[in-house]
Amino acid sequence: SQQGEEDPQALSIQEGENATMNCSYKTSINNLQWYRQNSGRGLVHLILIRSNEREKHSGRLRVTLDTSKKSSSLLITASRAADTASYFCATDHGSGNTGKLIFGQGTTLQVKP
Amino acid sequence: ETGVTQSPTHLIKTRGQQVTLRCSSQSGHNTVSWYQQALGQGPQFIFQYYREEENGRGNFPPRFSGLQFPNYSSELNVNALELDDSALYLCASSLVRQNTGELFFGEGSRLTVL
Repeated sequence: SQQGEEDPQALSIQEGENATMNCSYKTSINNLQWYRQNSGRGLVHLILIRSNEREKHSGRLRVTLDTSKKSSSLLITASRAADTASYFCATDHGSGNTGKLIFGQGTTLQVKP
Repeated sequence: ETGVTQSPTHLIKTRGQQVTLRCSSQSGHNTVSWYQQALGQGPQFIFQYYREEENGRGNFPPRFSGLQFPNYSSELNVNALELDDSALYLCASSLVRQNTGELFFGEGSRLTVL
């Protein structure tokens, strides 16, 4: 069963605006990851944050993790039309990096030019 | 480009048939995981192979089985296909038990069961 919950399910913004997606999970994690998927294609890893980290940056991406609330957010700044895709959070609940991930249902982001 | 290749990209089967999907891992990766993604859903973990042994399984019945070969390529076999098996099947390779935790996905095999 899928443990991650993401919101919103869909998000539509204008180019240049920021996009924020949220993810919640139920049990303790080793790490939380965000992936991107263009329509019907494979997933691409964006960023990984470990359970002892609170914030991480990669280019225009900023991820936060609040383990007390069992939640994470992904912020994409200065969005571009090419950012249009589905975004999934995925949690690893094993001891160490197991690679056995539980994915959320995803947020579909549309960036209008 | 992740270096993970899957075949076939699309296939159509009828209920009750059997299917084999193939995956070639990224060079140097010792672990392969398979995920099923139904339309509009997130991927669900099927199982993982490490050094040719099954290393964990999700909530999937035994008619879903797999193999990993010495060159780390892998197969997913599904017997007695059901309509609900229609989905995108994703293979992901990784270096678990190392410091990295991310998965490298192929483009998937889209299976339609009629």
